[in-house]
Amino acid sequence: QQQVKQSPQSLIVQKGGISIINCAYENTAFDYFPWYQQFPGKGPALLIAIRPDVSEKKEGRFTISFNKSAKQFSLHIMDSQPGDSATYFCAANAGGGNKLTFGTGTQLKVEL
Amino acid sequence: DSGVTQTPKHLITATGQRVTLRCSPRSGDLSVYWYQQSLDQGLQFLIQYYNGEERAKGNILERFSAQQFPDLHSELNLSSLELGDSALYFCASSATLAGGQDTQYFGPGTRLTVL
Repeated sequence: QQQVKQSPQSLIVQKGGISIINCAYENTAFDYFPWYQQFPGKGPALLIAIRPDVSEKKEGRFTISFNKSAKQFSLHIMDSQPGDSATYFCAANAGGGNKLTFGTGTQLKVEL
Repeated sequence: DSGVTQTPKHLITATGQRVTLRCSPRSGDLSVYWYQQSLDQGLQFLIQYYNGEERAKGNILERFSAQQFPDLHSELNLSSLELGDSALYFCASSATLAGGQDTQYFGPGTRLTVL
């Protein structure tokens, strides 16, 4: 059962462009939404996270937009660079419990 | 470098066999999580240990088991292996019990291939 749906599966963006990855969830108990970045041969690493009391969180070139009523959240990468080429996972957690539920991942390639 | 170490890096074995994957968490972290990453299932949470005790279970098969030792390292045991168990297995650690809203630090993973 996929509780967090992520799209697209893969994405190609030109250098300097905006990369947008979307996630949707059903479980209204989710109250913490992190994004993880994974480079080939490495484990995922926390990139940025948001809680539903804010609609947007920005850290450098990375922004999470959150729409509580639509149960959707997205990652925007501004001024995308070749070094951003990686797989991105959205995730969700409910009530500070132990479990993170991950989306299926988006493979991003930023071309010169 | 996340500070989480996993051994071995690669493991190739045959169906029906048993293997043990090892994880050392970041210094000071008491929680250890195991995840399975496959192409069709993505990242699936398997199990969590906190300070030696099992705290949460996810989609872990009965053929799989784990433990956390007094020195906080953890082992994931996979037995009666099937072709479908071929995957990347990640260990992650966090400082607190309720790691779902903590930063989880992932190791580099163990790639298991079952032939």
